[in-house]
Amino acid sequence: IAGITQAPTSQILAAGRRMTLRCTQDMRHNAMYWYRQDLGLGLRLIHYSNTAGTTGKGEVPDGYSVSRANTDDFPLTLASAVPSQTSVYFCASSDSNRLNEQFFGPGTRLTVL
Amino acid sequence: KNQVEQSPQSLIILEGKNCTLQCNYTVSPFSNLRWYKQDTGRGPVSLTIMTFSENTKSNGRYTATLDADTKQSSLHITASQLSDSASYICVVWTAAGNKLTFGGGTRVLVKP
Repeated sequence: IAGITQAPTSQILAAGRRMTLRCTQDMRHNAMYWYRQDLGLGLRLIHYSNTAGTTGKGEVPDGYSVSRANTDDFPLTLASAVPSQTSVYFCASSDSNRLNEQFFGPGTRLTVL
Repeated sequence: KNQVEQSPQSLIILEGKNCTLQCNYTVSPFSNLRWYKQDTGRGPVSLTIMTFSENTKSNGRYTATLDADTKQSSLHITASQLSDSASYICVVWTAAGNKLTFGGGTRVLVKP
């Protein structure tokens, strides 16, 4: 693989269900990010990780959790999905020396009914 | 509050024509500004980056300008092609807090 991959591509989920969005990068970037993109709004940061073993909250963290067990993987979990979490989710990564240059995955379209 | 505002929200142009997209920001302190292109169903891809001292930068048919005094940037697309149909996102970086602020994007549709 080259770059960032996300899975699934899309998902329809019943409210209250648990869901994990997967993200894997092969660029050996230390920093990784999760964003949500909603119509008419800019990308909003959910959680980030500056390096394996550390995570931090972004602008809209409520209802989401992340883990960073290794450099390559950065899964995003919705413990109990709600309809307001219907969105397109993008994972991104960047080199520690160039944090402002983020590379994005193809996105996961999530619909919560 | 750090904000990035883009205009117009959307526009339709005929193939071969030019267009200009606008970005105004209030992010402070300013470090750099990047324009991304996002094709439908894909993640954003960087087109160009501009620092405080740069006024103009080109990437093929895309030319970005920056006026750091008025806190405005523009992206000009020359001789548009059907493949230019996409959303264009303006993103400002501040080294204070290592934070990116994203604009809402301009959706461009190029018609034959």
